[in-house]
Amino acid sequence: DAGVIQSPRHEVTEMGQEVTLRCKPISGHDYLFWYRQTMMRGLELLIYFNNNVPIDDSGMPEDRFSAKMPNASFSTLKIQPSEPRDSAVYFCASSSGPLSTDTQYFGPGTRLTVL
Amino acid sequence: DAKTTQPTSMDCAEGRAANLPCNHSTISGNEYVYWYRQIHSQGPQYIIHGLKNNETNEMASLIITEDRKSSTLILPHATLRDTAVYYCIVRVSYGNKLVFGAGTILRVKS
Repeated sequence: DAGVIQSPRHEVTEMGQEVTLRCKPISGHDYLFWYRQTMMRGLELLIYFNNNVPIDDSGMPEDRFSAKMPNASFSTLKIQPSEPRDSAVYFCASSSGPLSTDTQYFGPGTRLTVL
Repeated sequence: DAKTTQPTSMDCAEGRAANLPCNHSTISGNEYVYWYRQIHSQGPQYIIHGLKNNETNEMASLIITEDRKSSTLILPHATLRDTAVYYCIVRVSYGNKLVFGAGTILRVKS
């Protein structure tokens, strides 16, 4: 299996621009997670989906952030408009279930820099 | 989820066992102890998890005290590639949130 795939791996944009991050979960996994990692706040959960439906978006920082999962094999995290404080590494993860025995597998991350 | 406390950093000689402690004194009966690690510039990687019994897999061993208030992750023969941040997380038996703390920076030195 290819694991969780994220694109792009690096993104540099200017303040005010729209940014779209993409994720392909492991085939057969019903849960998909978006995390953000910064030096100041560490690794934090933004939102997660079950069977393409958003379950918990309490970690989404503000209305500029939105996430969608149109099908079982694709999800996007969009920031519009982007701001310099959004600069971070964004990770996508997937798992096969909600139980403690269901491990979350992380992708390689997208490093976002907003100038 | 219960809070965990880990040392900020540790050093280990290559080839020796690395023992990483974690305190979780407020852990509940239905909470599991999970360990992940994050090698520089990579996504977090699952290592091992347990409820109350000691666990071992191809990567590591997890020793949980009888009162479950602390645990130790053991890498039996650390290599330079084990240099990473190690996160100890407690997680309810049914729930998807992984709450990451600051973790322990493990430096394996030759």
